[in-house]
Amino acid sequence: GAGVSQSPSNKVTEKGKDVELRCDPISGHTALYWYRQSLGQGLEFLIYFQGNSAPDKSGLPSDRFSAERTGGSVSTLTIQRTQQEDSAVYLCASSLGSGAAAQHFGDGTRLSIL
Amino acid sequence: GESVGLHLPTLSVQEGDNSIINCAYSNSASDYFIWYKQESGKGPQFIIDIRSNMDKRQGQRVTVLLNKTVKHLSLQIAATQPGDSAVYFCAETPGSSNTGKLIFGQGTTLQVKP
Repeated sequence: GAGVSQSPSNKVTEKGKDVELRCDPISGHTALYWYRQSLGQGLEFLIYFQGNSAPDKSGLPSDRFSAERTGGSVSTLTIQRTQQEDSAVYLCASSLGSGAAAQHFGDGTRLSIL
Repeated sequence: GESVGLHLPTLSVQEGDNSIINCAYSNSASDYFIWYKQESGKGPQFIIDIRSNMDKRQGQRVTVLLNKTVKHLSLQIAATQPGDSAVYFCAETPGSSNTGKLIFGQGTTLQVKP
C-alpha cells in the first residue's frame, strides 16, 4: 500500500517482557516520528528521525524506550521490561521533510501489558 | 508551558449544518498548525494545515482560520455529513519550523445527528 504501515496491529504481553513495534513509512519520506496515545487522549511525541541527522529523543519517557531507523526507511520502537503504564496505542508517522510538512500516520499498534 | 487545547470535548450537530471546532494554543512562536480527524481504531488522518503567515485556508468543505492575536485556531466543516463523525485534533509545531514534533490538543468529538 501507499500509506504508513505498522505491525503488529495488536500486541498483548506480560509485564516485564520486551516488545518491538515496527513502522514502514511512506516511500520517499525522509522524516519519521513515533507518538503514543493513551485511551481518550491526544498524541504524545516520543522520537523523531530526519535523514542521517541525530534523532530527537526528547519525548521518550524513560531509558526503557529506544528506537532505531535502519537504512533511512523502516523503524523499530523497542520497549524493554514493559510496565502496565506502557499500555497505549503507538503511532508512527512520516513526512516529506521536517518542520512545516504534513505528517501522515499509520493505524498504530495497540499495546496491552497484562 | 506549551499546550494546545480544545474548547469543547464534544460537539453535536445536525446533518447538513456547518460545524466549527475551536482550538487555543499557548506558544506564540508556533508557526505551523494542522487539523487531524481520527476515527475509532484508526490513525489520525490529515485534513488541512496552515502556516502562521496566513489567516485562512480552504480545502474541500473545510476551512481553517488562524487568529495569532488571540492564539486561536478553528476548523469549519461545511454541510456536515454522518461520515464526518470522529475525533478532531489540532496540532502545532512549537518554536522553529525545523522542529519536527507536533504538540497535540486533547481532541473534540464531533457527533453528527441524522
